[in-house]
Amino acid sequence: EDKVVQSPLSLVVHEGDTVTLNCSYEVTNFRSLLWYKQEKKAPTFLFMLTSSGIEKKSGRLSSILDKKELFSILNITATQTGDSAIYLCAASGAGSYQLTFGKGTKLSVIP
Amino acid sequence: NAGVTQTPKFRILKIGQSMTLQCTQDMNHNYMYWYRQDPGMGLKLIYYSVGAGITDKGEVPNGYNVSRSTTEDFPLRLELAAPSQTSVYFCASSRGGMDTGELFFGEGSRLTVL
Repeated sequence: EDKVVQSPLSLVVHEGDTVTLNCSYEVTNFRSLLWYKQEKKAPTFLFMLTSSGIEKKSGRLSSILDKKELFSILNITATQTGDSAIYLCAASGAGSYQLTFGKGTKLSVIP
Repeated sequence: NAGVTQTPKFRILKIGQSMTLQCTQDMNHNYMYWYRQDPGMGLKLIYYSVGAGITDKGEVPNGYNVSRSTTEDFPLRLELAAPSQTSVYFCASSRGGMDTGELFFGEGSRLTVL
């Protein structure tokens, strides 16, 4: 059975801190790993990673995949209160119509 | 610029009642999905469709049915609602299969079964 495990499950930091969110996966015929941010409503797409060692970056957020060790990290630098959200990690297998989601990491950024 | 639209946003049902959650997308995506999200449990796939007329079960299909008569619409039907179906339901769509790109989500439908 495919599995995605995120850690920590929740995290409280102060504005300006840097955080690292972890995602490990066990997926048959792994193809891609995706990160989503979920505020109050629908998850919104952040990154899709398919190749090991290549960092994807968007502003203060960055992510990297390690296909040998089967994990990914999401880094957020200089956190702001607007970064408070649940961050979801999901993995897909080749030819699969499903994403396997982790339980999410709830990030709270306090002023 | 609607994207994926779900209705209703909130609904309270009594045990044994039935209802349909509506989902429509205007991006001409072939792939559509229904997920449920329980607190602290991530998203679980209920049903998916790879095109009009084609549907298949996901991880947690029991108690639900779907149809896909058009590319745009993918309604989810709950027959004989049970308290275990209390959840937040998300409809999503994508251009290709899950190994090719991101999902676009609707804003969710919060269902309570009492």
